Parts: sequence; structure tokens; C-alpha cells
Amino acid sequence: GDSVTQMEGPVTLSEEAFLTINCTYTATGYPSLFWYVQYPGEGLQLLLKATKADDKGSNKGFEATYRKETTSFHLEKGSVQVSDSAVYFCALKAGGGADGLTFGKGTHLIIQP
Amino acid sequence: EAGVAQSPRYKIIEKRQSVAFWCNPISGHATLYWYQQILGQGPKLLIQFQNNGVVDDSQLPKDRFSAERLKGVDSTLKIQPAKLEDSAVYLCASSSPTVNEKLFFGSGTQLSVL
Repeated sequence: GDSVTQMEGPVTLSEEAFLTINCTYTATGYPSLFWYVQYPGEGLQLLLKATKADDKGSNKGFEATYRKETTSFHLEKGSVQVSDSAVYFCALKAGGGADGLTFGKGTHLIIQP
Repeated sequence: EAGVAQSPRYKIIEKRQSVAFWCNPISGHATLYWYQQILGQGPKLLIQFQNNGVVDDSQLPKDRFSAERLKGVDSTLKIQPAKLEDSAVYLCASSSPTVNEKLFFGSGTQLSVL
């Protein structure tokens, strides 16, 4: 079945550091790929998405590129801020009628001032 | 616009008891999802509704879990009887074709089974 694997956390970085959170997936067909974020005390919210190979999703300084050849969708940000501290989830939506998301386990990011 | 509303926020029960969670999606969203998020794991889809019909319930433990969305608006998820391993956060989400694959999540109900 479909699955998403993302790097284990917690990931601790200093403010203004470069961030990469790795995400790889297994799916049949051509899934859509997503990053969701959960800030402390808040619900899950969409950060960015990409719907086909080589698409780049971006939002709030975060970027991720849909790489079909490596089945990856790594999340990157050039300079993180304390306010980026949160749990980040990589997810996919398989093609077909049902469109519930398959999530990875989440990566807890901690940014220190 | 108002977000996805869920209640209660927290629930503590003994094993073998029953419990129900309620969700009111964003107005006009035809698709409603229930997810289970166990501590340290990502959310797992339990059931997906399109209006009041079930689209996918392949991961719903049907011997103890049930869900309904009778009028195609709000929804109830029930567990009867509860087991220790049901301790989790139960998330409701909704979406609409007009928001282009984006799911809107509620804050969840945190269930502890003792």
C-alpha cells in the first residue's frame, strides 16, 4: 500500500540555519504530495503541495520539489526562525476516487534563538 | 470563515466503555474525514464521507468503531467498547473541490482510555 517515510526527530537548529526535512514515498500511479504543519496548540494546516513531477511547492519561505525519479519531496528553508518550531508532516494523496491523505510520522522541529 | 469544529476537546474513559465524538465541518464542504493520530505517529484515515455517503472506510475497525453523517453536514464517530489502544487524538477534516485538494483540520479530540 501507499506509505510515507520522513526523517526522525526532533531536529534542533539555531535561528537562521538551513533546514532540510527528508521525505520519501511509495505509491502506485502519480500521487499528489503535501507538507502539513502543526504549530503548538493548533490544528494541522497545509503548508505547501505539488501535484505532478518536477512541480515545486512553496509557502512562507519553505520549498519542496516533487522528484519522481527518487520518489522524494524534501522540505527546505534557507533561514529558519524560532516561529518555525512545529511538527511537520509529509503526506500523499493517491490517484483515484477516494482522496484521503496518507501521512508520515511527523518531524518535530525545534529552533533555538 | 469558521473552521472545523470538534467536541469534546478531551475525554477520559475506562476500557469497555463507549464514547462519541462530534464534528461540524466548514459550511459547504461536501467531503468529511475522520483520522486517528496515536502519539508519535502521523494521522491515519479512518473514514471518508462524500455528503452523507461513505467513500472509504477500509481502515475503520468496524467491530467497535462506527461513524455517521446523516444529513451530509455534521458527523459523529463512536467507539463501543473502547480498548486501551484506542487512546489517541481523533481529528476531523473537511474539504471541497473549490479549495483544490486542501484539507482543513479541526483541533481534535484527545481520548484517553484507562
